[in-house]
Amino acid sequence: EAGVAQSPRYKIIEKRQSVAFWCNPISGHATLYWYQQILGQGPKLLIQFQNNGVVDDSQLPKDRFSAERLKGVDSTLKIQPAKLEDSAVYLCASSSGGLAGGAVGELFFGEGSRLTVL
Amino acid sequence: RKEVEQDPGPFNVPEGATVAFNCTYSNSASQSFFWYRQDCRKEPKLLMSVYSSGNEDGRFTAQLNRASQYISLLIRDSKLSDSATYLCVVNFGSGQFYFGTGTSLTVIP
Repeated sequence: EAGVAQSPRYKIIEKRQSVAFWCNPISGHATLYWYQQILGQGPKLLIQFQNNGVVDDSQLPKDRFSAERLKGVDSTLKIQPAKLEDSAVYLCASSSGGLAGGAVGELFFGEGSRLTVL
Repeated sequence: RKEVEQDPGPFNVPEGATVAFNCTYSNSASQSFFWYRQDCRKEPKLLMSVYSSGNEDGRFTAQLNRASQYISLLIRDSKLSDSATYLCVVNFGSGQFYFGTGTSLTVIP
């Protein structure tokens, strides 16, 4: 079974530029998450989708971050304009809620997209 | 106030030692609890779920105290391969998973 796919793996940009990250979850997983993980910290939830609807985006800095999951499958996270403090790994995860394999509550993560803002 | 709090460590222990990690959470309505493991520069992976009655998986034991809003992970007979960051994770409902800062463990030969 294919895992969660993310791209690009690495991205270096200058502040005020824009960047987009893509995620394709495990087939059949209705729930998709974007997390931000700054070095030395735990993952911070940015946004949670259930199919193509947003469940929680309370911690998404909406003045510069946006995310969409138009067809309820893959998702894009965009940052515009980027700031130095956005340097982090952006992790995408998906979950079936235990309905399609995996333990209830098991999140399957992609390898992440490492962003460096100069 | 952070939703999920952990002692970041680092914990440096010799092989064969027993080590315990603790975690507290702020939302008393939290529904489910987990420990994830994250190796250096890798993604987090589920280590084990945490049940009210306590549960064990080999050398790992997890416990939950809902009254104190407290979760623990005990690792017995530590191996070099246990070196990693251990993340406490709480589901606040509706599949909203919040992670602690993580506790760094290094097992020394």
